Amino acid sequence: SQTIHQWPATLVQPVGSPLSLECTVEGTSNPNLYWYRQAAGRGLQLLFYSVGIGQISSEVPQNLSASRPQDRQFILSSKKLLLSDSGFYLCAWTSGTEAFFGQGTRLTVV
Amino acid sequence: DAKTTQPPSMDCAEGRAANLPCNHSTISGNEYVYWYRQIHSQGPQYIIHGLKNNETNEMASLIITEDRKSSTLILPHATLRDTAVYYCIVRADYGGSQGNLIFGKGTKLSVKP
Repeated sequence: SQTIHQWPATLVQPVGSPLSLECTVEGTSNPNLYWYRQAAGRGLQLLFYSVGIGQISSEVPQNLSASRPQDRQFILSSKKLLLSDSGFYLCAWTSGTEAFFGQGTRLTVV
Repeated sequence: DAKTTQPPSMDCAEGRAANLPCNHSTISGNEYVYWYRQIHSQGPQYIIHGLKNNETNEMASLIITEDRKSSTLILPHATLRDTAVYYCIVRADYGGSQGNLIFGKGTKLSVKP
């Protein structure tokens, strides 16, 4: 069966520090991969999506970047975090008509 | 931007049917209607999807109007664990690939004892 791993579950980082969140998928090949962010009390905002290795599309210009070094690995990064980067970050994959989400990383920038 | 409109909140009594409406008046012919729900502090969970026929699975039923401009998600016997934010999404199908999932604000369903 397909599974999606996302870590860490929670993270507290100081302003100006770097960020690296990793997401891996098992049980499927060539999935479409996504990063979403959910600010407190708000809906899910699509940040990046990838249809293949090295192919990244950005939906919203911001302080973040994404990379896909392997077929089933998707990484969200920042060189210098801002307070506004706080939120709940979700990785997702689709292969066909369904989409599956990880359990999310709650990032607090202090 | 999301192409759907949903009421921000609804209440439902435990054991009763919960009917969650969604308007998608600009839906195009290759777009499916998807429903997800998000329980607090968890990732969204897939519920059901459909194109133009009504659909039913073990979780819910989806009723799509004939003109496809609106739909209703039905939870036949709501339980306290169904309390969540429910998202209605339209997503294109290009015959070999699918469009992105763009979430709106959803409906916060509160099931009360």
